Amino acid sequence: GAVVSQHPSRVICKSGTSVKIECRSLDFQATTMFWYRQFPKQSLMLMATSNEGSKATYEQGVEKDKFLINHASLTLSTLTVTSAHPEDSSFYICSPASGGTDTQYFGPGTRLTVL
Amino acid sequence: GENVEQHPSTLSVQEGDSAVIKCTYSDSASNYFPWYKQELGKGPQLIIDIRSNVGEKKDQRIAVTLNKTAKHFSLHITETQPEDSAVYFCAASPLTGGGNKLTFGTGTQLKVEL
Repeated sequence: GAVVSQHPSRVICKSGTSVKIECRSLDFQATTMFWYRQFPKQSLMLMATSNEGSKATYEQGVEKDKFLINHASLTLSTLTVTSAHPEDSSFYICSPASGGTDTQYFGPGTRLTVL
Repeated sequence: GENVEQHPSTLSVQEGDSAVIKCTYSDSASNYFPWYKQELGKGPQLIIDIRSNVGEKKDQRIAVTLNKTAKHFSLHITETQPEDSAVYFCAASPLTGGGNKLTFGTGTQLKVEL
């Protein structure tokens, strides 16, 4: 399967600060990046979809000004949680994709805890 | 939009027994159905997937069946082992040829007991 890395694997921050999460596609060029969020004991929920070089498309209920997505290269996408609050504490997982492939792989996830 | 239901939410089996997890979906446009295994604190790991042009797919101890008419698909794990214990998610999406916007089921916590 595809090799996907995320950094950091876990982060603890104070309320009001911003946190950046990196997702790297190590063995293929990700023209599309999906960002998911998973609360404890719940399923994965799609937050946004980004195409390389374009603005991200956000799912209903996800604030685009709070969750900033950058997909400037085919191997790196970042998700920045701005002015984080305790309710943003969650497991954030990226999933890169490229044209011509149907199989969807996921990164190892980033555990965000906002105090 | 797509809605995926998954049952059961928890499943306990004895080692060596079979486990079956079932999912239903609502959108007839969906034609890609992957299954993921997620261990605690880790990202989902793809274990098997099926496309709507086939009714069954098998990979060693794991098999998936699809009934497109009834809009349901199932995961079958035979000869379960303790390392199969994890949360399993089904998902559905239309194939786009460049990344799938997956809708996930609610997950099944599988526990394989010795």
